[in-house]
Amino acid sequence: QVQLQESGPGLVKPSETLSLTCTVSGGSMRSYFWSWIRQPSGKGLEWIGYFYYTGTIHYNPSLKSRVTISGDTSKNQFSLKLNSVTAEDTAVYYCARLPQMTVGSAGAPSFDYWGQGTLVAVSS
Amino acid sequence: QSVLTQPPSVSAAPGQKVTISCSGSSSNIGNNYVSWYQQLPGTAPKLLIYDNNKRPSGIPDRFSGSKSGTSATLGITGLQTGDEADYYCGTWDSSLTAVVFGGGTKLTVL
Repeated sequence: QVQLQESGPGLVKPSETLSLTCTVSGGSMRSYFWSWIRQPSGKGLEWIGYFYYTGTIHYNPSLKSRVTISGDTSKNQFSLKLNSVTAEDTAVYYCARLPQMTVGSAGAPSFDYWGQGTLVAVSS
Repeated sequence: QSVLTQPPSVSAAPGQKVTISCSGSSSNIGNNYVSWYQQLPGTAPKLLIYDNNKRPSGIPDRFSGSKSGTSATLGITGLQTGDEADYYCGTWDSSLTAVVFGGGTKLTVL
């Protein structure tokens, strides 16, 4: 059974960098896409970006200027860095697995395994 | 404001059927596949439907998905109190080049 676990500081100061790591257990990172998604309290889901095991990375254009996603398949981990954070970045951050991004030429993202989520608050 | 539009809430009695709509455009739902997620209070979302109408292993056939044009629908039959949750639709937006989600629908089983 694949399991994902987020880890990192729960409190980040404004203007600093949020850093999280997702550790994958029970399976290999090969052949899958790995993603970060966040959810402010009481609000909906926002996709941040994905890392593919070959090293391909794609970011949500709305966050692209501040986000870095990286992965280390040898350690079964991938990471998120979000810089210049503000209170609006306060959210539960999830890591998740995507078996595929496309079917034929059509986008077909579906997140089949999720971490439990970690709350990151931005406050001084 | 979410790219995909869902009703904020729906409700129905135990044993009844409910549908949740997800409306988009040609750049997202119209030309890509839709997935649906269930989020129970305090937990991570769970995949219910992928590729418009396929159920992952372990998801009961009470849950179904369909798509027509630029809209998608999640159907739940035989409602149970345990189905009370927030439900989200998601897909790829080819113009935004991003995964997008609906704002979520809160299901109340009366």
